[in-house]
Amino acid sequence: QKEVEQNSGPLSVPEGAIASLNCTYSDRGSQSFFWYRQYSGKSPELIMFIYSNGDKEDGRFTAQLNKASQYVSLLIRDSQPSDSATYLCAVNAGGSYIPTFGRGTSLIVHP
Amino acid sequence: EPEVTQTPSHQVTQMGQEVILRCVPISNHLYFYWYRQILGQKVEFLVSFYNNEISEKSEIFDDQFSVERPDGSNFTLKIRSTKLEDSAMYFCARPRTSGISNEQFFGPGTRLTVL
Repeated sequence: QKEVEQNSGPLSVPEGAIASLNCTYSDRGSQSFFWYRQYSGKSPELIMFIYSNGDKEDGRFTAQLNKASQYVSLLIRDSQPSDSATYLCAVNAGGSYIPTFGRGTSLIVHP
Repeated sequence: EPEVTQTPSHQVTQMGQEVILRCVPISNHLYFYWYRQILGQKVEFLVSFYNNEISEKSEIFDDQFSVERPDGSNFTLKIRSTKLEDSAMYFCARPRTSGISNEQFFGPGTRLTVL
């Protein structure tokens, strides 16, 4: 059974701070890793994907992958109140195009 | 990039009734996915559909469910004899490219409420 685990939170950070969201996965053969943002009542929105160990930066977002430790993280720099949402981690097993989702971490950025 | 559209946005039905949820893709996309998300729970994969055939399905996707592309454009998810536990958000998703892709973009979803 492939598992993707996230702390449900809420993670509360002040505006302008760095928010750090973490995710661990059980399938060592996993190859593709995604972060989705989901506002309440809305659909998941793909914001980052990473396939190789290390960091990948896109604007204020940085995804970090460590396959040896089986974790992937998302850093949000200069957090804004509009970043307040649930962040879903999703992982594809090797050779699969179907993601397994975590339950998500609720992020609250307070002014 | 334009996303998919889904109709209806909210469907209320009585237990035991059949519902049909619709998804309108970008015209040149051949792959399509259906997911559901029960309130407060994980997004769960239901089925993938490629070129008018089921490509892959989860254990959730039992005989109660079916998918079609009835008119060559819309994709439909049919749920027969709905149960209370079918109440959820149902999302369709498309790959980033017209072929298959790891990255998927979700439609706005249909909220299904079974009474």
